[in-house]
Amino acid sequence: DAEITQSPRHKITETGRQVTLACHQTWNHNNMFWYRQDLGHGLRLIHYSYGVQDTNKGEVSDGYSVSRSNTEDLPLTLESAASSQTSVYFCASRQSLNTEAFFGQGTRLTVV
Amino acid sequence: AQSVTQPDIHITVSEGASLELRCNYSYGATPYLFWYVQSPGQGLQLLLKYFSGDTLVQGIKGFEAEFKRSQSSFNLRKPSVHWSDAAEYFCAVDASGGGADGLTFGKGTHLIIQP
Repeated sequence: DAEITQSPRHKITETGRQVTLACHQTWNHNNMFWYRQDLGHGLRLIHYSYGVQDTNKGEVSDGYSVSRSNTEDLPLTLESAASSQTSVYFCASRQSLNTEAFFGQGTRLTVV
Repeated sequence: AQSVTQPDIHITVSEGASLELRCNYSYGATPYLFWYVQSPGQGLQLLLKYFSGDTLVQGIKGFEAEFKRSQSSFNLRKPSVHWSDAAEYFCAVDASGGGADGLTFGKGTHLIIQP
């Protein structure tokens, strides 16, 4: 069965370090997204991609970057981790606009 | 810009009782609307969606939702809740094609089931 997986599931890192969160989907979807989930804020869009070599900023993109070198993967990089980036991160993908998005299980990131 | 409001942060319901979770959206055109559920430590699972047509949509796990354009609402209902329904529920609007992308989520409603 097709799926979307995130790794690691849990990560603790120190302030100032670079961190990369992986997202891999086997749906063959062109559209991929990264969200962060924080208490009182719901899910907020960080970055998204419509296809290979395409990346776009979302609502809360400062301090984050993504790259899309193939259809299956959209890694999220925190260039210099900050305590404000402690959060749960979700990756999602969907076939096309206005269709159902499928979510990964999430990565809980703690920046100390 | 589009937005979604879920007025209730927490709702407590007795097992077997009916449930209604409220969702109001702001968007200039006809929106595409979704309800997702998130169990503890899990990702989001789609309950149901509205794109067009019949304004009462049926979803999984016995849930339904009604789109009311005049009230800009898309409330989620279930006639009789089960303890396993305890979770976080998110309403989302998709305004793709209207200058925004991805889904815009409400802040969620935490559902507690009393025995």
